[in-house]
Amino acid sequence: GDSVTQMEGPVTLSEEAFLTINCTYTATGYPSLFWYVQYPGEGLQLLLKATKADDKGSNKGFEATYRKETTSFHLEKGSVQVSDSAVYFCALILVGGSQGNLIFGKGTKLSVKP
Amino acid sequence: DSGVTQTPKHLITATGQRVTLRCSPRSGDLSVYWYQQSLDQGLQFLIQYYNGEERAKGNILERFSAQQFPDLHSELNLSSLELGDSALYFCASSAASGGYNEQFFGPGTRLTVL
Repeated sequence: GDSVTQMEGPVTLSEEAFLTINCTYTATGYPSLFWYVQYPGEGLQLLLKATKADDKGSNKGFEATYRKETTSFHLEKGSVQVSDSAVYFCALILVGGSQGNLIFGKGTKLSVKP
Repeated sequence: DSGVTQTPKHLITATGQRVTLRCSPRSGDLSVYWYQQSLDQGLQFLIQYYNGEERAKGNILERFSAQQFPDLHSELNLSSLELGDSALYFCASSAASGGYNEQFFGPGTRLTVL
């Protein structure tokens, strides 16, 4: 079935370090891909998205490129801040159907130390 | 603030009981989704409604049911509660269904079953 696999955390980095969170997917159809972020005590917020192969989503210094050949959508940021501490979820939606539910990875907790 | 509201914020109840969680979607959104977030299962899709009708079902137990009312708010009913039902329940809404429609998440209802 359709699924998302992301690297397990927690990930602990120092401020200004480079961040990569790996995400790969399995999909029977043609998905749109997303990264959501959950700050402590809050709901999920859309961080960035990509709807077709080779698209790059970007927001708040985060980037991810939709790689169809490797079925991946890795999240990167060049210089993390303490305020980036949160749980990050990779997700997909299958395009073309009448349903629109998100399929999520397990989430990766990021802690950034000053 | 996503514009999606959920009540109550916290709910503590006993095994065997029944509870109702409420969700009001963003103004104008026709689709409502329910997701369950637990430590062992992660974020899982439960059920989707579109303009009052059930559109898709995920890993929703038979003890759980939902509905969407004419004013588009939705309720998730959980009955014969078990300890394992303790989780964070999120509601999300989107303008339409199918393809890519950005989902906006509410702050969640934390259910604790004792």
